[in-house]
Amino acid sequence: GIQVEQSPPDLILQEGANSTLRCNFSDSVNNLQWFHQNPWGQLINLFYIPSGTKQNGRLSATTVATERYSLLYISSSQTTDSGVYFCAVRSPGTGTASKLTFGTGTRLQVTL
Amino acid sequence: ETGVTQTPRHLVMGMTNKKSLKCEQHLGHNAMYWYKQSAKKPLELMFVYSLEERVENNSVPSRFSPECPNSSHLFLHLHTLQPEDSALYLCASSQNDHFSGNTIYFGEGSWLTVV
Repeated sequence: GIQVEQSPPDLILQEGANSTLRCNFSDSVNNLQWFHQNPWGQLINLFYIPSGTKQNGRLSATTVATERYSLLYISSSQTTDSGVYFCAVRSPGTGTASKLTFGTGTRLQVTL
Repeated sequence: ETGVTQTPRHLVMGMTNKKSLKCEQHLGHNAMYWYKQSAKKPLELMFVYSLEERVENNSVPSRFSPECPNSSHLFLHLHTLQPEDSALYLCASSQNDHFSGNTIYFGEGSWLTVV
């Protein structure tokens, strides 16, 4: 099945700093989503971005499908940005071979 | 608030107990999912229901038994679990199953501890 690698695995930032999180995947995809999991466990959908660039406030994401990677940018980070960021992808196809596959995440800690 | 509600948020159960996790979605979606999140592991898809029919059982042991009585509700019945089943169990929903490439929305999760 498709492999999803996220980097870095851990990141510590001071409040106000910017960061870039990366998601590499091993096959072509037709679905890519970024999620933020808060310290209480809830996964919040940030972006649905199989290709192109999107922005939402201080967050933006870019997926270059031909080169099999996606980037999540966090600008002017805040302590509430802390948590784990997951990338999830799906390959074209049918049935179980095309399920959404999650990476292992980037754990972000934003300090004062 | 994502429109997907899970109860209970925390559950401690013995290995001989029978308990259930409940999920309800208020988004009008027709597909629902159970995921398992263990420490240091990626999220694992357990079950997928589309239009109230199970379309995926990802080699999950029979001690986990899902039930989808209608498109808004999903249960996970638990019996004779093992300590290694302790994890965060996440429910999710989407419009059409995620094989179709739709955005998926998660509940807050149920933290399960098996003692």
